[in-house]
Amino acid sequence: DGGITQSPKYLFRKEGQNVTLSCEQNLNHDAMYWYRQDPGQGLRLIYYSQIVNDFQKGDIAEGYSVSREKKESFPLTVTSAQKNPTAFYLCASSISPTLSSYNEQFFGPGTRLTVL
Amino acid sequence: QKEVEQDPGPLSVPEGAIVSLNCTYSNSAFQYFMWYRQYSRKGPELLMYTYSSGNKEDGRFTAQVDKSSKYISLFIRDSQPSDSATYLCAMRGAGAGSYQLTFGKGTKLSVIP
Repeated sequence: DGGITQSPKYLFRKEGQNVTLSCEQNLNHDAMYWYRQDPGQGLRLIYYSQIVNDFQKGDIAEGYSVSREKKESFPLTVTSAQKNPTAFYLCASSISPTLSSYNEQFFGPGTRLTVL
Repeated sequence: QKEVEQDPGPLSVPEGAIVSLNCTYSNSAFQYFMWYRQYSRKGPELLMYTYSSGNKEDGRFTAQVDKSSKYISLFIRDSQPSDSATYLCAMRGAGAGSYQLTFGKGTKLSVIP
């Protein structure tokens, strides 16, 4: 059963702590993405990776870090430098844009992070 | 002006109504257009995608693109309570330089039984 998994579903963090959100896909997709969704804000791109061992900052990368050591995995770390981290975080993946003009992205179920 | 504008709603309709959801955009380079449906506290799921101008139909759903007006629409016929969700439009330009999708903020739809 192919798809994208994110864990945990809910995450609580104390101020000053770093936390890591997991994203795994078994779709054999080359590209992976992290978005943040806040009420009334839509989807905002944090980081994206087109191939293993390479990633680029999106629109709101400050306070976040990522790694892409394996094609299947793209974990996101929310650092203490992120001033307002409470949000719904979505991971997505897509096939290489050389294979699909649409670059349609497929999303995981999301992780809801709350800072206490 | 934001690149993609989408009325956030909420939009409430009775069951069986025809629903029209819309996005306007300012970037004339956008060529590929998509609609996603997002249920509460879930990830978005891809509903439909179209290239350039024209219509595309899939069951009760029709996607329409008018590039001359920079306007895209999603029509839902015979709407059902299960269609209650937030609908996001997304689009991108052609070529490797416009790889990323630009999303609207989403329209929240409620279909009342």
